Amino acid sequence: SAVISQKPSRDICQRGTSLTIQCQVDSQVTMMFWYRQQPGQSLTLIATANQGSEATYESGFVIDKFPISRPNLTFSTLTVSNMSPEDSSIYLCSVEDDENYGYTFGSGTRLTVV
Amino acid sequence: EDKVVQSPLSLVVHEGDTVTLNCSYEVTNFRSLLWYKQEKKAPTFLFMLTSSGIEKKSGRLSSILDKKELFSILNITATQTGDSAVYLCAVLFYGQNFVFGPGTRLSVLP
Repeated sequence: SAVISQKPSRDICQRGTSLTIQCQVDSQVTMMFWYRQQPGQSLTLIATANQGSEATYESGFVIDKFPISRPNLTFSTLTVSNMSPEDSSIYLCSVEDDENYGYTFGSGTRLTVV
Repeated sequence: EDKVVQSPLSLVVHEGDTVTLNCSYEVTNFRSLLWYKQEKKAPTFLFMLTSSGIEKKSGRLSSILDKKELFSILNITATQTGDSAVYLCAVLFYGQNFVFGPGTRLSVLP
């Protein structure tokens, strides 16, 4: 199955700044997904990123706040812009694993905004 | 290397059957184990297990953790077609965040 390298694993950021999270996959994948995980809650899908097209955002998430890049079939970035303490969360990327008909997740980025 | 293994990877049952899904892990700095159900979009949180031997229940679903043997099981009784999904096991580590298992794809036939 695919292996994802997600960076950074954690960061503490100042209010009003931006953080870019990277996910590198060891194989080519069509779709990559970005999630937010808040304590004790289900993962919330932020957006789906296909290579070569604009990301598709879920209700409540906008491109200006969470711009996504997908320059090729193995890499994607999510930027959390103009951060506030409410953005403190774990952010995860995921890919659909065609080989095992499941999903592979990155290890997550633990973001704390102060 | 930290890893999470789930078995079986896929399972087909008929409505009314009882299923047991397995999750084992090899870790350092274990913090808790989480079960999710993924149907279409984002995985839905089911349980978080931190202590050994304490069963958590929600309707027809239940789960328990064995920290000595490093595994957890998720039981679903009287399965329904709506239980068809991928069930994900994830381990939360201190300092490393998550490691997800590959998931068990459950198909419940009418």
